[in-house]
Amino acid sequence: NAGVTQTPKFRVLKTGQSMTLLCAQDMNHEYMYWYRQDPGMGLRLIHYSVGEGTTAKGEVPDGYNVSRLKKQNFLLGLESAAPSQTSVYFCASSPRNEQYFGPGTRLTVT
Amino acid sequence: KQEVTQIPAALSVPEGENLVLNCSFTDSAIYNLQWFRQDPGKGLTSLLLIQSSQREQTSGRLNASLDKSSGRSTLYIAASQPGDSATYLCAFAYSGAGSYQLTFGKGTKLSVIP
Repeated sequence: NAGVTQTPKFRVLKTGQSMTLLCAQDMNHEYMYWYRQDPGMGLRLIHYSVGEGTTAKGEVPDGYNVSRLKKQNFLLGLESAAPSQTSVYFCASSPRNEQYFGPGTRLTVT
Repeated sequence: KQEVTQIPAALSVPEGENLVLNCSFTDSAIYNLQWFRQDPGKGLTSLLLIQSSQREQTSGRLNASLDKSSGRSTLYIAASQPGDSATYLCAFAYSGAGSYQLTFGKGTKLSVIP
């Protein structure tokens, strides 16, 4: 039981490049979330999903897109990366109450 | 918008001491509360979950309490150890669009000195 896994662990992008972050969970959870963590700002919700095929915006959704084609996977896309998107990105999943977090992806945009 | 405040931002204690971390929130219409631990460069590990109908939860040396009327939660750590050194985050869930979204505090960085 791997829990919540994230790919990749680290990535450096140039401004304007695109990439996709993958989150996978093997706990059959309905809810999945993407957060970003920045110094002095705490964790903020980007997008979330309440089930396969559904997505919704969180607190800071601009510049990101998401998809949940399969229940176990939640993808976060950056179409045109900006330096302001330099951050640590965390994925979480939840059966309803308690959220379980992945190890994070550290993204740097130069 | 729900606001979550954690005090102090950093705390340093000698090994063996009992300590209390504080968390306050502005909206009492919460669904539940989670306390997390985060080690440097790592993800979040869930420590305790308290439902809004509960007053406290215990796990080993950890005890978390919830007082909705005063808008406060505390995490009590007994007999602290150097391995407890980490950042502790509290987060409140409120039911929004059926998603139980979490609002986080900025954390308390704990250092336990041997």
